[in-house]
Amino acid sequence: GDSVTQMEGPVTLSEEAFLTINCTYTATGYPSLFWYVQYPGEGLQLLLKATKADDKGSNKGFEATYRKETTSFHLEKGSVQVSDSAVYFCALSDQAGNMLTFGGGTRLMVKP
Amino acid sequence: DAGVIQSPRHEVTEMGQEVTLRCKPISGHNSLFWYRQTMMRGLELLIYFNNNVPIDDSGMPEDRFSAKMPNASFSTLKIQPSEPRDSAVYFCASSLNRGNEKLFFGSGTQLSVL
Repeated sequence: GDSVTQMEGPVTLSEEAFLTINCTYTATGYPSLFWYVQYPGEGLQLLLKATKADDKGSNKGFEATYRKETTSFHLEKGSVQVSDSAVYFCALSDQAGNMLTFGGGTRLMVKP
Repeated sequence: DAGVIQSPRHEVTEMGQEVTLRCKPISGHNSLFWYRQTMMRGLELLIYFNNNVPIDDSGMPEDRFSAKMPNASFSTLKIQPSEPRDSAVYFCASSLNRGNEKLFFGSGTQLSVL
């Protein structure tokens, strides 16, 4: 079945550092890929998405590129802020787009 | 819109008791999902509904768990009897329609079974 693997956290960075959170997936066909973010005490929110190979999703300074050849969708940000501290989830949809399969989540802690 | 509303925010109960979690999806959304989040297992899809009909309940862990959606604006997840291993955060999410992958999550219910 479909699966998503993320790097384990926590990831601890200083403010303005470069962020990469790795995500790889296993799926049949051509899924859409997503990053969701969960701030403390809240539910998940969609951060960005990409629906086909080589697409780049971007939002709030974060970006991720759909790489079919490496089955990856790594999340990057050039300069993180304390307010980016959260748990980040990589996810993919099934062929029909009915269900999302989430990775285990990666906690990011940004220190001033 | 107020977003997806879940209640209660926190629930503490004793083993063997019945627990009912409630969810009000965003008005106009036709798909509703129940997820469970734990440190050990991450985020797990329990069940999802489309137009109030359960489509896939393969994630429901066992018969102690049941979910209903009597109308488009309300859903419940019930655990009877509850066990300590059910302790988790339970999230409800809704989306505009089937095939729309943008989910809107509620703030979750933190369940502790003693």
